[in-house]
Amino acid sequence: DAKTTQPTSMDCAEGRAANLPCNHSTISGNEYVYWYRQIHSQGPQYIIHGLKNNETNEMASLIITEDRKSSTLILPHATLRDTAVYYCIVRVWDNAGNMLTFGGGTRLMVKP
Amino acid sequence: DTGVSQDPRHKITKRGQNVTFRCDPISEHNRLYWYRQTLGQGPEFLTYFQNEAQLEKSRLLSDRFSAERPKGSFSTLEIQRTEQGDSAMYLCASTLGLSYEQYFGPGTRLTVT
Repeated sequence: DAKTTQPTSMDCAEGRAANLPCNHSTISGNEYVYWYRQIHSQGPQYIIHGLKNNETNEMASLIITEDRKSSTLILPHATLRDTAVYYCIVRVWDNAGNMLTFGGGTRLMVKP
Repeated sequence: DTGVSQDPRHKITKRGQNVTFRCDPISEHNRLYWYRQTLGQGPEFLTYFQNEAQLEKSRLLSDRFSAERPKGSFSTLEIQRTEQGDSAMYLCASTLGLSYEQYFGPGTRLTVT
């Protein structure tokens, strides 16, 4: 699985967009980008995933650069409840185990 | 859909004792995963089941650790002769087939004194 690099921590003002970057310069053509988050004292929660195209769901948007070497998770209107550690994960999705490899993640602090 | 549940939520044990944790996945989810998370780190994969078959084990899973999933429903993770280094959050996740999303339980926090 490709290695990812994320900033250790970020702050965001409540109501503003939170843009969380992730570098994955060694990503292979068949590897997907996944984002999970972990709110304090809870298990991780799936947010979104993508291969090449930008994706949007009710939680967030995922912007993947054309060369696929980096991506950005966007929370359009951050709330205090979005304070969490956000993990960017890159891996192939196939009929094997599909276990996730988490790095250190980005600790997002949403401030009032 | 009641989510993935884990029991107990917290366990304090003395070094050398055996402990067992239980995970109940979302009903009909055939894949079940165990992860371990130490303070300040991301979760690390331990082992994975497809139905009742344990298909993969991490090098982190020493011979003191054993996991089972009888009948392909709930799973148990047992740690024998616990050590202080076993203190961590043990997370269980489940998924259905090749779904992209893994659903995690709240975890069992183990403290070995």
